[in-house]
Amino acid sequence: NAGVTQTPKFQVLKTGQSMTLQCAQDMNHEYMSWYRQDPGMGLRLIHYSVGAGITDQGEVPNGYNVSRSTTEDFPLRLLSAAPSQTSVYFCASSYSAGVGNTIYFGEGSWLTVV
Amino acid sequence: AQKITQTQPGMFVQEKEAVTLDCTYDTSDPSYGLFWYKQPSSGEMIFLIYQGSYDQQNATEGRYSLNFQKARKSANLVISASQLGDSAMYFCAMREGGNQGGKLIFGQGTELSVKP
Repeated sequence: NAGVTQTPKFQVLKTGQSMTLQCAQDMNHEYMSWYRQDPGMGLRLIHYSVGAGITDQGEVPNGYNVSRSTTEDFPLRLLSAAPSQTSVYFCASSYSAGVGNTIYFGEGSWLTVV
Repeated sequence: AQKITQTQPGMFVQEKEAVTLDCTYDTSDPSYGLFWYKQPSSGEMIFLIYQGSYDQQNATEGRYSLNFQKARKSANLVISASQLGDSAMYFCAMREGGNQGGKLIFGQGTELSVKP
């Protein structure tokens, strides 16, 4: 009963490096999204996808890239890491974008940029 | 303008007592969903309860209930018979209809501490 799976759980990057956070869900959900959580704050939306081949920007998209080639996978790419991207990242999914559909979260990925 | 407001940064409750965590929201969309999530110290986000804008009755899930007052735009979470394991951050969130892309908007959270 995997649900939403994120890897890696912890990562340390140097400024300027790039990396990809992986996200996979096995619930056949059409809607997937990435959030970041900074200390003392709620989650903020980075990018989202309403289905394979469709992505859009959220509240804080700068410095991140996404693609959705399959229903199951929604990787988040950091293009050139900056210390301001030090955060906890959550991947999430729901059956659809409808207001009544619960969004389920992965366990989070702790990223530190030095 | 902030769409979800949680005015209590921190709350304390005695074990076995009930506690109410406040949440107010702002939207002009008639169709929306309100969610509460629990985030323990281990960091994961756990879904607790959902209330739809058209629901006539307040939602309940075990020890969790949602006090939904639509006219006041409030969706307070009530936890009955608090347990030590309820100590965590609690987030209120809203999902709007229309062209909002299904995104979930979060409040800043309330840290609940349950005292033995």
